Amino acid sequence: EDQVTQSPEALRLQEGESSSLNCSYTVSGLRGLFWYRQDPGKGPEFLFTLYSAGEEKEKERLKATLTKKESFLHITAPKPEDSATYLCARSSGGSYIPTFGRGTSLIVHP
Amino acid sequence: EAGVTQSPTHLIKTRGQQATLRCSPISGHTSVYWYQQALGLGLQFLLWYDEGEERNRGNFPPRFSGRQFPNYSSELNVNALELEDSALYLCASSLGQGSTEAFFGQGTRLTVV
Repeated sequence: EDQVTQSPEALRLQEGESSSLNCSYTVSGLRGLFWYRQDPGKGPEFLFTLYSAGEEKEKERLKATLTKKESFLHITAPKPEDSATYLCARSSGGSYIPTFGRGTSLIVHP
Repeated sequence: EAGVTQSPTHLIKTRGQQATLRCSPISGHTSVYWYQQALGLGLQFLLWYDEGEERNRGNFPPRFSGRQFPNYSSELNVNALELEDSALYLCASSLGQGSTEAFFGQGTRLTVV
């Protein structure tokens, strides 16, 4: 069974205080590892896809990395507008269906 | 380019009624996924349609059903509504089998009273 576990559940940062979010996933048959951002009451916004260990992708203050067992979303010098829930998901070779973790709720204080 | 669109945005129904939710995928996308997101919970997979066929369904009772039309738009039907069905229902589309990136609509907030 596909498993995606995110930590921490919640994270409070001061503006400018860099940090990382963690996503652990079951390894077998990984087809893609995804990161999304979700604002309250809205649909998830696609951020990144990672396919293989060692891959990295960046977008503004966000950088996603992938190892054989984990993915990290690094947030550099965050701003209050980065406050959101960040979701990690994976799809496996058999079904393509993205399976989601519970998310990390990030609050950035000014 | 238009993204995934869902309608209605909000829907209020009485327990025991039926609800129909609609989704239009991104142009060129043939796969549609439906998810349920109850308050404070993660995204739970409901249904996957591709090329007009139901390819997989999640661990939900048969009163959750749907279909995909020839233009790849999709409907989610929920029969015999229960209070616990109150949630944000999200639709996502992708290019189809072999493509992994899914893009979401803004969701339909279903409230059962």
